[in-house]
Amino acid sequence: KAGVTQTPRYLIKTRGQQVTLSCSPISGHRSVSWYQQTPGQGLQFLFEYFSETQRNKGNFPGRFSGRQFSNSRSEMNVSTLELGDSALYLCASRPTGGSNQPQHFGDGTRLSIL
Amino acid sequence: QQQVKQSPQSLIVQKGGISIINCAYENTAFDYFPWYQQFPGKGPALLIAIRPDVSEKKEGRFTISFNKSAKQFSLHIMDSQPGDSATYFCAASIGGGADGLTFGKGTHLIIQP
Repeated sequence: KAGVTQTPRYLIKTRGQQVTLSCSPISGHRSVSWYQQTPGQGLQFLFEYFSETQRNKGNFPGRFSGRQFSNSRSEMNVSTLELGDSALYLCASRPTGGSNQPQHFGDGTRLSIL
Repeated sequence: QQQVKQSPQSLIVQKGGISIINCAYENTAFDYFPWYQQFPGKGPALLIAIRPDVSEKKEGRFTISFNKSAKQFSLHIMDSQPGDSATYFCAASIGGGADGLTFGKGTHLIIQP
């Protein structure tokens, strides 16, 4: 079974631009979560989607948004990019988001803001 | 507010030794405690997880010890090998994790041959 696939792997943008990252979950998984990883703040939860609905959101500004499609694939969008948005963005999936289901992570998209 | 505190930040252990990483949490509503291993250029991979109704869980060379009253849990890696050199994260979540995992800051583990 293929794992969580994130594209692109690397991305370079400049301040003020916007960016869209993509995540394909493990086949059959309907829950997708996004995390931001930085050296200073570590791994931080952005939001989780299940059946095309955002179920929860972490403490990030409204510039960070996402969506999920009917095939469970998810996209994350960041508008008006700031230097501090440089990070590794990780996507994780699990079957339904129930209490006995671990999250499986992709290898992330490395976003660099110039 | 950091809800999961992890220590040490870095750790060097000789091959064959025991690596011990500790975590403490504040929110008593947490009910799921996983440990993840991350290699450079890769995403975190689940190692082992425990629930608060169990005091210890062992999988191969990896053991989680859980102390509910002290709100602490730890990862023990027995017979540590150079291939175990990685960054380890403890995490916690509530009710299945729909509100996401809260991670510790990570421990950079180096196993010296």
